[in-house]
Amino acid sequence: EPEVTQTPSHQVTQMGQEVILRCVPISNHLYFYWYRQILGQKVEFLVSFYNNEISEKSEIFDDQFSVERPDGSNFTLKIRSTKLEDSAMYFCASRREAGDGNEQFFGPGTRLTVL
Amino acid sequence: GNSVTQMEGPVTLSEEAFLTINCTYTATGYPSLFWYVQYPGEGLQLLLKATKADDKGSNKGFEATYRKETTSFHLEKGSVQVSDSAVYFCALRLLYNNNDMRFGAGTRLTVKP
Repeated sequence: EPEVTQTPSHQVTQMGQEVILRCVPISNHLYFYWYRQILGQKVEFLVSFYNNEISEKSEIFDDQFSVERPDGSNFTLKIRSTKLEDSAMYFCASRREAGDGNEQFFGPGTRLTVL
Repeated sequence: GNSVTQMEGPVTLSEEAFLTINCTYTATGYPSLFWYVQYPGEGLQLLLKATKADDKGSNKGFEATYRKETTSFHLEKGSVQVSDSAVYFCALRLLYNNNDMRFGAGTRLTVKP
């Protein structure tokens, strides 16, 4: 069964460093998402991406964040200069098409630890 | 704004006990409602959903009914198993917004043999 994959499973970085979190969505999906979950808190929407551009973003997704689909398979989240408060679990999700019946499929997450 | 509030955990039950995890929502418009489950070391998996009032979602013995009058979508299971131990997330998505899902904080369930 196709699934969303994410790498790495755990990333440790120093404050101020750039990190890139990678996701491979399900191959025939068209809509892509990033969410984050700070430890013990709720899952929060960051950004959605369709047709090679951001379609919606939350107030969390500031200028330090960017997303890219560099080829036909990967979907990346870049944090330019990490802060301590960026430590969280980051989930990628994808969906085949628009419409209420189409669910988002989530990856296993990347745990980012900023020291 | 649009948000979901769910019962705080952790919840610890014995095998075969009855489970209820409460979820209430606030939304402008008509949301679809979801329960996702996260098993240890895995991603979020859709457990069940309901797209309109009075719909009942069900899967793997779990059920939840979309109650518009009480703005609730409580998760229930009549007899839990050890394998049900996981974190459960209630979520909503507005009907005409394909992008933004709002999640609750998650409820950790531990089922003991």
